[in-house]
Amino acid sequence: DIHMTQSPSTLSASVGDRVTITCRASQSIGRWLAWYQQKAGKTPKLLIYKTSDLESGVPARFSGSGSGTEFTLTISSLQADDFATYYCQQYSSFSSFGPGTKVDIK
Amino acid sequence: EVQLVESGGGVVRPGGSLRLSCTASGFTFGDYGMSWVRQAPGKGLQWVSGINRNGDIRVYADSLKGRFTISRDNAKNSLFLQMNSLRAEDTAFYFCARPDEDGNPLYRYWGQGALVTVSS
Repeated sequence: DIHMTQSPSTLSASVGDRVTITCRASQSIGRWLAWYQQKAGKTPKLLIYKTSDLESGVPARFSGSGSGTEFTLTISSLQADDFATYYCQQYSSFSSFGPGTKVDIK
Repeated sequence: EVQLVESGGGVVRPGGSLRLSCTASGFTFGDYGMSWVRQAPGKGLQWVSGINRNGDIRVYADSLKGRFTISRDNAKNSLFLQMNSLRAEDTAFYFCARPDEDGNPLYRYWGQGALVTVSS
């Protein structure tokens, strides 16, 4: 299995902040990387796929970049609705998820 | 409207077995691969297994290989996960999820989850 890591594990931020989450893969996955947002008691929501393609309906303040083994999710101006846990997922070889990054209120 | 409904969760003793089902509606089930993803309470997501459209290709997370078996019945719009030799660490919500039209494990549709608790 390809092992995924994320940093930080928790991020405290304020509304309006620029937020960046990093995801690393244990081997190259090209650009086969997705990001999900999960709120408490809900199923995950797909935000970004193929590293930087925004899912339909997802606000443009979300963006993704990277390739190979290092990737980032950026929220350009954090909104109240964005406090949640974010997971990266590789789908280069079957699939595996990162451990998650919780974005909470500072 | 795409709907995925899991059933079959419950409490089982260590070493026991359980079979989960997922009933799909709102799309042509046989046109899509399907997957299972699990999440221990308060923990992260773990991809468990995937199966292709006609059921002849099945893949598993390395750590689960040999204990779990995925299958499907396209005539009944159903996906299954047979779980054997269950351990405490298998305690989780088990979600069925639909990959995209190309078979990529990009999950736009999820079931509500079935809770499996492994405890003596």
